[in-house]
Amino acid sequence: EVQLVESGGALVQPGESLRLSCVTSGFTFSNYWMTWVRQAPGKGLEWVANIKGDGSEKYYMDSVKGRFIVSRDNAKNSLSLQMNNLRVEDTAVYFCVRDSWGRYYGSGGFDYWGQGTLVTVSS
Amino acid sequence: EVVMTQSPATLSVSPGERVDLFCRASQNVNSYLAWYQQKPGQSPRLLIYGASTRATGIPARFSGGGSGIEFILTISSLQPEDFAVYYCHHYNKWPRTFGQGTKVEVK
Repeated sequence: EVQLVESGGALVQPGESLRLSCVTSGFTFSNYWMTWVRQAPGKGLEWVANIKGDGSEKYYMDSVKGRFIVSRDNAKNSLSLQMNNLRVEDTAVYFCVRDSWGRYYGSGGFDYWGQGTLVTVSS
Repeated sequence: EVVMTQSPATLSVSPGERVDLFCRASQNVNSYLAWYQQKPGQSPRLLIYGASTRATGIPARFSGGGSGIEFILTISSLQPEDFAVYYCHHYNKWPRTFGQGTKVEVK
């Protein structure tokens, strides 16, 4: 059974840093792109970042470029998101997500989601 | 950035009715389009990928269509458990983007 479990969410002040973690199981972690998606309270879904299976490619939404860093440890089947210089508008539930894109011809979409971890940025 | 626009924002329907949800991309995304369902307090669930392929375990009443810039998600006969918010999402290029969602509520 595929499982993704996030941790690390907290209440922080603007300008502070926070590191989110996601531990996975039930699949060959290194074979998959992994994703962070966030959802502000009462709002829609927002793609944040992606990292390739071997960690060689990383992509970010514009508003977090230079502040957030996505990384992975394939030996520990874990994904991380280092969030620096946090802003009030970063307040959201952050989901760890498996991306099925590229696994086979025609594959795509975010097929497994964690339960999310809440990050609140407020003074 | 590809902007995904969903319509309508809210749809009020009765169980058993057919539902059509629409998603328009600001530029061609080919068939790299997925649909998700999210119920209150839950994580999203993948329904459709490749614009028209049902994900594992998704009932046949859900179907997707379209390519390029216009896409549709159809629920052939709405069941009580289908009241939720539905999102489209493209994965044609970076950055990936989601639509703003369509809420399907009880009439």
